Amino acid sequence: DIQMTQSPSSLSASVGDRVTITCRASQTISSYLNWYQQMPGKAPKLLIYAASSLQSGVPSRFSGSGSGTDFTLTISGLQPEDFATYYCQQSYSFPLTFGGGTKVDFK
Amino acid sequence: QVQLQESGPGLLKPSETLSLTCTVSGYFISSGYYWGWIRQSPGKGLEWIGFMYHSGSTYYNPSLKSRVSTSVDTSKNQFSLTLSSVTAADTAVYYCARVLDYYDSSGYGFDYWGLGTLVTVSS
Repeated sequence: DIQMTQSPSSLSASVGDRVTITCRASQTISSYLNWYQQMPGKAPKLLIYAASSLQSGVPSRFSGSGSGTDFTLTISGLQPEDFATYYCQQSYSFPLTFGGGTKVDFK
Repeated sequence: QVQLQESGPGLLKPSETLSLTCTVSGYFISSGYYWGWIRQSPGKGLEWIGFMYHSGSTYYNPSLKSRVSTSVDTSKNQFSLTLSSVTAADTAVYYCARVLDYYDSSGYGFDYWGLGTLVTVSS
């Protein structure tokens, strides 16, 4: 199975900050990488697919980059509704696997 | 818009069979897309269970494959999950979701999710 490792596991930030979350795959996954946002008690929400494609309806302050084994989710100008937990997920090979999550909370 | 809703028992005893149904509205399952299941537990995080096409094609997580089966009822616009011989390790919130496929159906994400249903396995 491909292991997905996110860093940091948590971070504190303020409204307006630029936030960067990293996801590393245990082997190359090309660009088969998705990002999700999960609010407490809610289902995950797809933000980015294919490493850098913005899902319909997602604000443009969210962006994704990377290929191979190293990927980044960037939030440019953190908004109050962005305080949540973020997960990466690979679909290069079965089984599909998720990262452990990065919790973004208030500084 | 597409909406999904899980239903099924919330409490099971060890060795029993978990059966969940996902009812889809806003889209006909028979029109396309894969439809899948994901679970989330404090101990194991998010775990992909499997997904299926309305015509019967399926993909399962090998770690669960021996205990998992899925089915589709297009007349009710529902799909279902069965997990046999449950243990406490199967305690989790179970989500159903629609699969977004890209790169000519070699890449998969989940673009619509149900609210999730908590399943607890306890004697």
